Amino acid sequence: GAGVSQSPSNKVTEKGKDVELRCDPISGHTALYWYRQRLGQGLEFLIYFQGNSAPDKSGLPSDRFSAERTGESVSTLTIQRTQQEDSAVYLCASSSTSGANTGELFFGEGSRLTVL
Amino acid sequence: GDSVTQMEGPVTLSEEAFLTINCTYTATGYPSLFWYVQYPGEGLQLLLKATKADDKGSNKGFEATYRKETTSFHLEKGSVQVSDSAVYFCALRGGYANAGKSTFGDGTTLTVKP
Repeated sequence: GAGVSQSPSNKVTEKGKDVELRCDPISGHTALYWYRQRLGQGLEFLIYFQGNSAPDKSGLPSDRFSAERTGESVSTLTIQRTQQEDSAVYLCASSSTSGANTGELFFGEGSRLTVL
Repeated sequence: GDSVTQMEGPVTLSEEAFLTINCTYTATGYPSLFWYVQYPGEGLQLLLKATKADDKGSNKGFEATYRKETTSFHLEKGSVQVSDSAVYFCALRGGYANAGKSTFGDGTTLTVKP
């Protein structure tokens, strides 16, 4: 596709349920990021994939959060036993450069998660 | 680690006023610097960027100059419009030592009133 695609665009779930969010990066982009944005807040870094390197998971807020990426393609962010404080927009971004100084991030439209 | 500090908001201006949003950074090596914008109800998109010291990025009347001596990348616009109302994020992308990871500031909300 032409841009970063995220699904679902909206997800409403009950507290305690697991959710999976999907990100399709731009083809050929080696770097992929997940961010969380709570209402009216800034971007909270969650996880960063760069090529075949071990992902940087330093931003994951708890062990209920995990993410996978197969090669340089699709990534899924999984939140287990969701809590109300997980309600936010989850943004995915990808970038074409690897280990260089330049690299614009291309963002998806986000997945809005509401935990009731 | 790398960090980006942005001027706290929200910022409210009248149309045609001069805008400055301050951004300073801490990073090892020689990062690239970016301003991203998030218009109401839309996704984040790149506004402008600069990849080395003294470079000036510009787009849509906005400008920012990469100042290595002051580790700053302040966003400016001479005459804002209502359509500039948005959230602005300053960001850097670290060089080889940081494996190219991007770091964002907290964002500054700009409201322009007619």
